[in-house]
Amino acid sequence: NAGVTQTPKFQVLKTGQSMTLQCAQDMNHEYMSWYRQDPGMGLRLIHYSVGAGITDQGEVPNGYNVSRSTTEDFPLRLLSAAPSQTSVYFCASSPRVRDIQYFGAGTRLSVL
Amino acid sequence: KQEVTQIPAALSVPEGENLVLNCSFTDSAIYNLQWFRQDPGKGLTSLLLIQSSQREQTSGRLNASLDKSSGRSTLYIAASQPGDSATYLCAVGSSGNTPLVFGKGTRLSVIA
Repeated sequence: NAGVTQTPKFQVLKTGQSMTLQCAQDMNHEYMSWYRQDPGMGLRLIHYSVGAGITDQGEVPNGYNVSRSTTEDFPLRLLSAAPSQTSVYFCASSPRVRDIQYFGAGTRLSVL
Repeated sequence: KQEVTQIPAALSVPEGENLVLNCSFTDSAIYNLQWFRQDPGKGLTSLLLIQSSQREQTSGRLNASLDKSSGRSTLYIAASQPGDSATYLCAVGSSGNTPLVFGKGTRLSVIA
């Protein structure tokens, strides 16, 4: 089973560039979410989705955009990358928001 | 706003010791609490999920307890091994369909 797959694993961007972090799950989970993890800050929620066509903001949504057109995919878009967005990004999914969360391996992003 | 605190931030123990990791949360209106493990450079793996109606959950050498009224959970690891070295994170699901709120984790080192 593939579980939660994140691509790419590593990415370097220049300030102002845009990119999309991909997240796909093959478990037919309704709930998906994006977190960023920074030293000393822990995991912070960026955006989440309780089903296809439904998204909502988390704790730190500014500078990020999401959409959920299918159950399987939940891409995270950086509209204009800033050095403050240098972080490790994790995608997670679960059958419903109250169930065990399954995490991807993460994407390490550096913005220069 | 739910806040989750984990103490200590780091812990180093000799192999074979029994140890306790602590997690506290400010809002006792939770639906469940989850403990995760994170190895360096990897994603999170769910270890135990305790529903708000439960007092504890066990999996092998791990035992997690929950005292909702006092806003505390502990993760007990019996007979620690070097392979247990990792960061352990606690996450709380509050009432409604709000996503998990994570603590900053406890970094455990088990010395052979």
